[in-house]
Amino acid sequence: DAKTTQPPSMDCAEGRAANLPCNHSTISGNEYVYWYRQIHSQGPQYIIHGLKNNETNEMASLIITEDRKSSTLILPHATLRDTAVYYCIVRVVGNAGNMLTFGGGTRLMVKP
Amino acid sequence: DAGVTQSPTHLIKTRGQQVTLRCSPKSGHDTVSWYQQALGQGPQFIFQYYEEEERQRGNFPDRFSGHQFPNYSSELNVNALLLGDSALYLCASSLVVNGELFFGEGSRLTVL
Repeated sequence: DAKTTQPPSMDCAEGRAANLPCNHSTISGNEYVYWYRQIHSQGPQYIIHGLKNNETNEMASLIITEDRKSSTLILPHATLRDTAVYYCIVRVVGNAGNMLTFGGGTRLMVKP
Repeated sequence: DAGVTQSPTHLIKTRGQQVTLRCSPKSGHDTVSWYQQALGQGPQFIFQYYEEEERQRGNFPDRFSGHQFPNYSSELNVNALLLGDSALYLCASSLVVNGELFFGEGSRLTVL
């Protein structure tokens, strides 16, 4: 699976949009971009994933560049409960299993 | 609908001992994966079980072994514990072998 690069930490004001970048310049054509987050002392939580089109669900939006070498996770109205470590992961979706390779992630601090 | 449940939540062992951690997958899920998360790091994949067999394995020594039961629940066994085995052990389940992962809250192991 391709490696990803994320900033180690970011701050965001409560109520504002949080934009978390991820670089995956070596991504292959059959690799998806996944985002998980981990709130302190809890297990990771799935947020969203995409292949090449932008995606949106009730939690967030995922914007993938046209060349697929980077993406941005957007939390439209961040709350204090969104404070967590956010992991960007790229992986092949197929019959070989669903192993996730976690990097260091971005520690997002939402401030009042 | 119960999510992924793990037991025990916390435990303390001494070097050289053996430990067994247990996981019940989310209702309807048939695939279980185990991850190790050291303090301050992202989770690392240990192995995945499907149809009572180990299907994928990460870079962990043979001291780490597992089992999946007919009811899809799973155990992680670690023999000859080392200080470096101190970590949060996360169980994740999915509907199929390549499906989305749902994580439990983890079992925190401390080796003294």
